[in-house]
Amino acid sequence: RKEVEQDPGPFNVPEGATVAFNCTYSNSASQSFFWYRQDCRKEPKLLMSVYSSGNEDGRFTAQLNRASQYISLLIRDSKLSDSATYLCAVYNTNAGKSTFGDGTTLTVKP
Amino acid sequence: IAGITQAPTSQILAAGRRMTLRCTQDMRHNAMYWYRQDLGLGLRLIHYSNTAGTTGKGEVPDGYSVSRANTDDFPLTLASAVPSQTSVYFCASSDEVADTQYFGPGTRLTVL
Repeated sequence: RKEVEQDPGPFNVPEGATVAFNCTYSNSASQSFFWYRQDCRKEPKLLMSVYSSGNEDGRFTAQLNRASQYISLLIRDSKLSDSATYLCAVYNTNAGKSTFGDGTTLTVKP
Repeated sequence: IAGITQAPTSQILAAGRRMTLRCTQDMRHNAMYWYRQDLGLGLRLIHYSNTAGTTGKGEVPDGYSVSRANTDDFPLTLASAVPSQTSVYFCASSDEVADTQYFGPGTRLTVL
């Protein structure tokens, strides 16, 4: 089993739709959690960190469920410009390093 | 320089040649990383450095070496390139190991 797993998708949704991605992690010693966005042929860029209490940034909401060991990303009112690959990253305290998921591809269509 | 830069942007290399990919950051970050990204395999950590003067092996270190002589630079060397090292290589840095990572624009390497 991979340390960090994501549904690869692709997710194809119409503009205005709400879409949610999950990312599961296997190590309970995981401490920090992030969502990155990667556009085609570009580098990953931080979308948002994920805090224990959950956090929101405009149309984006991130949540952490420590009991079930997953993080989620909710995108409301999808825009064409949201089309990208979304990577989750989990920092493991014991290993002293972060592990990235393979990414979930989102395509928002008119 | 603003952020993290990589050179070259792309390279075609003959198998067996030696190649060094350069990475420089100006954010005074302590930690730096090298990843390779292949279709369907996501980002895989090659080597990392938690602070200047130290390095460590990641998930796929074989065939690669790194050095961290100072805070800003973290070159990745392929001693004798093989076709399986064809990939996109990303360098990244973070202030501390648990923090957000900032990525360079990547180097597209093709080994023939």
